[in-house]
Amino acid sequence: GQNIDQPTEMTATEGAIVQINCTYQTSGFNGLFWYQQHAGEAPTFLSYNVLDGLEEKGRFSSFLSRSKGYSYLLLKELQMKDSASYLCALRDTDKLIFGTGTRLQVFP
Amino acid sequence: DVKVTQSSRYLVKRTGEKVFLECVQDMDHENMFWYRQDPGLGLRLIYFSYDVKMKEKGDIPEGYSVSREKKERFSLILESASTNQTSMYLCASSLTGNQPQHFGDGTRLSIL
Repeated sequence: GQNIDQPTEMTATEGAIVQINCTYQTSGFNGLFWYQQHAGEAPTFLSYNVLDGLEEKGRFSSFLSRSKGYSYLLLKELQMKDSASYLCALRDTDKLIFGTGTRLQVFP
Repeated sequence: DVKVTQSSRYLVKRTGEKVFLECVQDMDHENMFWYRQDPGLGLRLIYFSYDVKMKEKGDIPEGYSVSREKKERFSLILESASTNQTSMYLCASSLTGNQPQHFGDGTRLSIL
């Protein structure tokens, strides 16, 4: 089976950098997704990692280490609108297994 | 842009009622999914479908069924609603497993 672990809550200051970690155990790795979800809204896709290394997309980057069962989402130049939950999800063929999410609060 | 539309944003039903939640996507996606989301538990997969008339159980299928008669439409059915089915229900679709899932806005269902 699979298991995904993320911190429940994090806080950060506007303009800062924050790293949200995700550790996982799986019998067969097929890829890892990150989603953002604002309160009361649908999750939206941020990134997909299938190979080791860093994927950069504007202010957001995602890193994967398959040997360590570890990923992180890096948010730079934090803005108030980045206050949201960030969901890590393992790909299992055509479906996803989600972690419980990390709620990030950005303060001025 | 992919559009996933759920029929209701808020719904209130009574215990024992049969409840239908509808979901339509407009991008000819093969895969469709139904999740429920509860505080502290995250998104949990109820059922998914990878083709018309095909369905697979997810992690928590008990008390639910689904129907996919047409490619664009995936319905979730609560056969006899119970209070522990009060939750946010999210529908999603994807083209393939390595493509992102696109989510609808969700239905907040309350069972009284």
